[in-house]
Amino acid sequence: DTEVTQTPKHLVMGMTNKKSLKCEQHMGHRAMYWYKQKAKKPPELMFVYSYEKLSINESVPSRFSPECPNSSLLNLHLHALQPEDSALYLCASSQDQVGGREQFFGPGTRLTVL
Amino acid sequence: QKEVEQDPGPLSVPEGAIVSLNCTYSNSAFQYFMWYRQYSRKGPELLMYTYSSGNKEDGRFTAQVDKSSKYISLFIRDSQPSDSATYLCAMPNTGGFKTIFGAGTRLFVKA
Repeated sequence: DTEVTQTPKHLVMGMTNKKSLKCEQHMGHRAMYWYKQKAKKPPELMFVYSYEKLSINESVPSRFSPECPNSSLLNLHLHALQPEDSALYLCASSQDQVGGREQFFGPGTRLTVL
Repeated sequence: QKEVEQDPGPLSVPEGAIVSLNCTYSNSAFQYFMWYRQYSRKGPELLMYTYSSGNKEDGRFTAQVDKSSKYISLFIRDSQPSDSATYLCAMPNTGGFKTIFGAGTRLFVKA
């Protein structure tokens, strides 16, 4: 299985809602990533987990809260988002965080904040 | 100056053309180079992965790295309408903890 899955595919939420994005991989990868991608822009790194520990937080606002319950799962909890947070949220995984590892991306969750 | 520069296009070519996509980078310590293809409203898909200088071929795709010029290329032979997508170059930064992406080049192949 060489796939990264993400749910839901689409999400519409109000600014007062709380929701979660989920990501799963069964490739035995020990590094997992959250990216945000706006239209016609490259992916922007948000968080990196390595061996289930948060290793990089790219100064992301606290309304985004990541969680890695086990080596196969990655969640992104959303609370009190702003309309400018509307974007495609991508999860990726790699064998580990050693330099040069290829990252495999999921299909993304398209988030709209009203 | 950005660490990785890539012309965002769009680039429009007729079916069957040879396509050349390019990126330049500023950090001579970069050693690994990747090309991702991203279809509209989908996640990026790893297309080619190269280490150090030289060429790598996979079917209609050839990745080329010139470390002396800090220049990488992706060539697509016999381009097809199904190749219409955004192509992102990417390279792990020094230490490898982050991947730096180019802006992505939007390619349109006309039937």
